Amino acid sequence: AQSVTQPDIHITVSEGASLELRCNYSYGATPYLFWYVQSPGQGLQLLLKYFSGDTLVQGIKGFEAEFKRSQSSFNLRKPSVHWSDAAEYFCAVGAGVSGGYNKLIFGAGTRLAVHP
Amino acid sequence: DADVTQTPRNRITKTGKRIMLECSQTKGHDRMYWYRQDPGLGLRLIYYSFDVKDINKGEISDGYSVSRQAQAKFSLSLESAIPNQTALYFCATSDLWGALNAEAFFGQGTRLTVV
Repeated sequence: AQSVTQPDIHITVSEGASLELRCNYSYGATPYLFWYVQSPGQGLQLLLKYFSGDTLVQGIKGFEAEFKRSQSSFNLRKPSVHWSDAAEYFCAVGAGVSGGYNKLIFGAGTRLAVHP
Repeated sequence: DADVTQTPRNRITKTGKRIMLECSQTKGHDRMYWYRQDPGLGLRLIYYSFDVKDINKGEISDGYSVSRQAQAKFSLSLESAIPNQTALYFCATSDLWGALNAEAFFGQGTRLTVV
């Protein structure tokens, strides 16, 4: 069965420090992978997605993620964190149909706190 | 106006009551989804619909029902609310989910408390 694991429930970083949020997936075929961000009191916003091709994908707000098939990982990174990045981050895999997907399966989320 | 609008945004209800959460979208998408979010569990799929006549159960559909009144409207009902249905509920829409340019758009959520 498809699943997504985000090993870190909470992460705290200092403003200006680099960030890496971990995501591991379990999926039998080529995965469709996503990172979403949820700011307090808000819905989810797509940061970036991977379907195929270049394994390093760029997203909005200065985020990037790298797909590593050998490690079943899709970690999210940002070189320098801003206070406004404090939020909850969700990794998701597209699942449901062969050769594509018709629903998203989410990880449990990682809550990011940023110290000034 | 938001692309995906959920009403109400907050609701407190009593155990055993019937409650309906509503979702409407202006994206023109065929596909609509209901998720619930619980701390430490992420978002879990309750129901999804690919068009007005196509309704599918997600991983946690027990205790819930849905109605797709129109392409733009998808409602979630709790027939007899219980306290463990206290959660944050999200509606989402997408078009051609599976296409390279596909993206899911989420509402701002409905915080439901069952007492």
